[in-house]
Amino acid sequence: DTEVTQTPKHLVMGMTNKKSLKCEQHMGHRAMYWYKQKAKKPPELMFVYSYEKLSINESVPSRFSPECPNSSLLNLHLHALQPEDSALYLCASSQEVVGSYGYTFGSGTRLTVV
Amino acid sequence: AQSVTQPDIHITVSEGASLELRCNYSYGATPYLFWYVQSPGQGLQLLLKYFSGDTLVQGIKGFEAEFKRSQSSFNLRKPSVHWSDAAEYFCAVGSRPPNTDKLIFGTGTRLQVFP
Repeated sequence: DTEVTQTPKHLVMGMTNKKSLKCEQHMGHRAMYWYKQKAKKPPELMFVYSYEKLSINESVPSRFSPECPNSSLLNLHLHALQPEDSALYLCASSQEVVGSYGYTFGSGTRLTVV
Repeated sequence: AQSVTQPDIHITVSEGASLELRCNYSYGATPYLFWYVQSPGQGLQLLLKYFSGDTLVQGIKGFEAEFKRSQSSFNLRKPSVHWSDAAEYFCAVGSRPPNTDKLIFGTGTRLQVFP
């Protein structure tokens, strides 16, 4: 298995809703990432998990809450989002945090906040 | 801090023509360098990477890139473009230890291919 699987593929939520994005990989990778990508822009790093511990939080608002229940799973819990949070949310993984490995990306969750 | 510049926002080529996408980086040492491709609404796929050794790197889908230290560049090339190559291309740089936690992406180059 050489994939990163993200669910759901599309999500529409109201500003008062609570929802979660899920990411799963079975490649034995020990680093996992959440990126946010707006249209026609490069991905922007949100969070980095290394060996199931949060190692980087890029000053992301608290309405985004990451969770890494085990080495294969990464969640992003969403609460009280704003319309400007609408974007493609990408999960990625790599063998280690060391930058030489490159990332394997999932196909993303297209989030629309109404 | 490292940074990546992709000078061309949009490139249009005819199918069968050659392609070169430019990437320049700013970093105090030799970084790790990557090229990714993204089709509309999809995630990013790794085309190739460089971290040491031969400066000409071969990747998937017939792409290659050349690392030129003197020019701080890592340009992506393909000798003959196919219509399916139309996509967004991102160059990215990763730091060497100890600052190795993340990749920095360029702003991307959109490739359009005409038949």
